[in-house]
Amino acid sequence: AQSVTQLDSQVPVFEEAPVELRCNYSSSVSVYLFWYVQYPNQGLQLLLKYLSGSTLVESINGFEAEFNKSQTSFHLRKPSVHISDTAEYFCAVSNTGFQKLVFGTGTRLLVSP
Amino acid sequence: DAGVIQSPRHEVTEMGQEVTLRCKPISGHNSLFWYRQTMMRGLELLIYFNNNVPIDDSGMPEDRFSAKMPNASFSTLKIQPSEPRDSAVYFCASSLAQGSYEQYFGPGTRLTVT
Repeated sequence: AQSVTQLDSQVPVFEEAPVELRCNYSSSVSVYLFWYVQYPNQGLQLLLKYLSGSTLVESINGFEAEFNKSQTSFHLRKPSVHISDTAEYFCAVSNTGFQKLVFGTGTRLLVSP
Repeated sequence: DAGVIQSPRHEVTEMGQEVTLRCKPISGHNSLFWYRQTMMRGLELLIYFNNNVPIDDSGMPEDRFSAKMPNASFSTLKIQPSEPRDSAVYFCASSLAQGSYEQYFGPGTRLTVT
């Protein structure tokens, strides 16, 4: 069975500092990987995804994630965060050929001035 | 596109009452998912449909919960009778049943059972 581990429940960081949110998964087959963001009182929004090809994927607002098959990781990074990045971030995995997404427990990113 | 639409956005009800949550998926999407989110348990998949047919309902907590999808543009999640432990935010999401399977979430229904 698949599983996703987000070890950090909360990550506090100052504005303009870099940040990394960690995600590890377990699966015996090929996977698709996703990061979703949830702003307060809203639904989840897709931030970026890895399907195949380049292992480095980017979002339009400066986040990037790198698929590392050997370490079964898909960490999310941003070189300089903004106050508006304060949100909860969920890593998710699906097996190619199966629709169910398995979500991690989420990491709350708190950006302060 | 209006995105996934859920109603109501907030629901407060008394224990024992029936609750019905509604979802309209994105037009053209043929898969629909119901999730529940709580502080204690995080985000849980309750059930999902492909082409209006339930595929996996293993996440439905118990017989008090039921979900239907009578057509491609509408789904309901019903709780009868409701209990305080059902208090949560319920999300509906839709996707295409092929390709990358990325899911698009609605804004959620915040349910409070007193």
